[in-house]
Amino acid sequence: KQEVTQIPAALSVPEGENLVLNCSFTDSAIYNLQWFRQDPGKGLTSLLLIQSSQREQTSGRLNASLDKSSGRSTLYIAASQPGDSATYLCAVRLGGSGSRLTFGEGTQLTVNP
Amino acid sequence: GAVVSQHPSWVICKSGTSVKIECRSLDFQATTMFWYRQFPKQSLMLMATSNEGSKATYEQGVEKDKFLINHASLTLSTLTVTSAHPEDSSFYICSARDPGVGETQYFGPGTRLLVL
Repeated sequence: KQEVTQIPAALSVPEGENLVLNCSFTDSAIYNLQWFRQDPGKGLTSLLLIQSSQREQTSGRLNASLDKSSGRSTLYIAASQPGDSATYLCAVRLGGSGSRLTFGEGTQLTVNP
Repeated sequence: GAVVSQHPSWVICKSGTSVKIECRSLDFQATTMFWYRQFPKQSLMLMATSNEGSKATYEQGVEKDKFLINHASLTLSTLTVTSAHPEDSSFYICSARDPGVGETQYFGPGTRLLVL
């Protein structure tokens, strides 16, 4: 059974800082990995999708890396802003049509002005 | 990016009534949609996988007669909470997988259900 762990559970940083969120998974035979953002009381916004054959994806100030063999992914946020405050969720998919995403518990990020 | 909509965004109902939640993929066709439930300060819990034109696949512990799912078209799936009780109060989120964009999964804005 795939298990996804996110560390830390919560993080508070001053504005402008670069930060790293960690995600680990137990079954390395993944199809892809997605990072999401969730604001309080809202749905999930897809940030980055990394296919199993890729090592990283970038979008603006966000960079996500994937190391399948070690079962790890990191989300790097550069020059953090108060608007980045949200819960960040990592999810992996094993593969096959209709296969599910397995979510981590999330990291709650607060960026203080 | 692709958009998934949900309706209603929130609903309050009396115990014993049924509530229907709609999930639509607005700019892509989704053969597979997913329904999740989320409790406060917890991650998402998958309830069922909805496949267009066939019966939904429910996760262990989820009552299929309680949570009726219909995936009538490639852009619409509905979740009906039948005979709702206060313990069904939760945040329900649907998701649709876009087969054309690396199979990215997009999520709706969620529906908050409060059963009195």
